Amino acid sequence: RKEVEQDPGPFNVPEGATVAFNCTYSNSASQSFFWYRQDCRKEPKLLMSVYSSGNEDGRFTAQLNRASQYISLLIRDSKLSDSATYLCVAQTGFQKLVFGTGTRLLVSP
Amino acid sequence: NAGVTQTPKFQVLKTGQSMTLQCAQDMNHEYMSWYRQDPGMGLRLIHYSVGAGITDQGEVPNGYNVSRSTTEDFPLRLLSAAPSQTSVYFCASSWKRTFNYGYTFGSGTRLTVV
Repeated sequence: RKEVEQDPGPFNVPEGATVAFNCTYSNSASQSFFWYRQDCRKEPKLLMSVYSSGNEDGRFTAQLNRASQYISLLIRDSKLSDSATYLCVAQTGFQKLVFGTGTRLLVSP
Repeated sequence: NAGVTQTPKFQVLKTGQSMTLQCAQDMNHEYMSWYRQDPGMGLRLIHYSVGAGITDQGEVPNGYNVSRSTTEDFPLRLLSAAPSQTSVYFCASSWKRTFNYGYTFGSGTRLTVV
């Protein structure tokens, strides 16, 4: 079983839609969590950190449920430019970031 | 600020050849790491360093060496290239003391071993 699991998608949504991704992690010792965005043939870029209380950055909302060991990302009012792969990341220990394989989002006009 | 710079961007090697992938950062980050990304596998940690002179193995270290003689540079050496090392390689860095801010990645090196 992978340490961080995501639905690979693709999620096909029209512009303006709300879409949510979930991610589960298996190591209960994981301390910090992130969502990264990766465009095709580009490097991953940090989208947002995920806090236990939940956090919001514009149209993006991240939630963490430690009891169930899952993380979610909600994107409201989807834009064409949101089309990308979204990587869920769990930090276990000081130096270890474990990446999920990513969820692909396609936003269409 | 250039951030994290990786060279080369593309490379084709023959089986058995050796080469060094370069990584440099100008942000005075203490922590640096190398990942490889393969379809369906996610990013996997090869080696990492928490400061100059200190390196350690990650999840998939076999066939790779690293060194960290300066804070800025963290080269990755392929000792004897194999087709299984065909991948996209990313170098990343972060502040050690503020790990919650995540990593900054370089633009990657696409390596093909034939």
